[in-house]
Amino acid sequence: SAVISQKPSRDICQRGTSLTIQCQVDSQVTMMFWYRQQPGQSLTLIATANQGSEATYESGFVIDKFPISRPNLTFSTLTVSNMSPEDSSIYLCSVDRGRPSNETQYFGPGTRLLVL
Amino acid sequence: QKEVEQDPGPLSVPEGAIVSLNCTYSNSAFQYFMWYRQYSRKGPELLMYTYSSGNKEDGRFTAQVDKSSKYISLFIRDSQPSDSATYLCAMSRSSASKIIFGSGTRLSIRP
Repeated sequence: SAVISQKPSRDICQRGTSLTIQCQVDSQVTMMFWYRQQPGQSLTLIATANQGSEATYESGFVIDKFPISRPNLTFSTLTVSNMSPEDSSIYLCSVDRGRPSNETQYFGPGTRLLVL
Repeated sequence: QKEVEQDPGPLSVPEGAIVSLNCTYSNSAFQYFMWYRQYSRKGPELLMYTYSSGNKEDGRFTAQVDKSSKYISLFIRDSQPSDSATYLCAMSRSSASKIIFGSGTRLSIRP
């Protein structure tokens, strides 16, 4: 299984500021995903990040608000821009090790964000 | 209507009990079904993976898919306090399509 780390693990931010979350994988992967998990709600896919191309955003998420970088096959960043209290959530990155198989997406530990 | 519905719980059972966790879904095109376990302050970890209908067993865990009823279940036998976590069902149409998650069921196993 993949080992995925995220930085920071948590943060408290002021309204109007931006936070960049880093995701590091211990091996090369083609696809990396960014999710948001709000209390009591399901994981919601923000975007898919492939190395060497622009990220693909899901409905309701835009690049200006959530810019993503994918400089290589083991690393990605998600920036939450111009934050508001509604952005308070857990942000998770995940990787796809190949489907169909017994392996599917592996998740990082998450970044807990509180916006005041 | 959500594509995937899951009872949020919380569900509390005594140690040793059999636990049944369930999800219903509306999209008959789903073919890949997964269960993730998420401990507090951790990311989800894959627990079970099933393709199409049928049962799959792994130790104390059994995943069941009934596509005719659009209903999936996870059974935990001989439940342990260490099984206390949030369990998320998830499913997708194909190996290349987006995974849709349920909202998760919080499970607590009482010693």
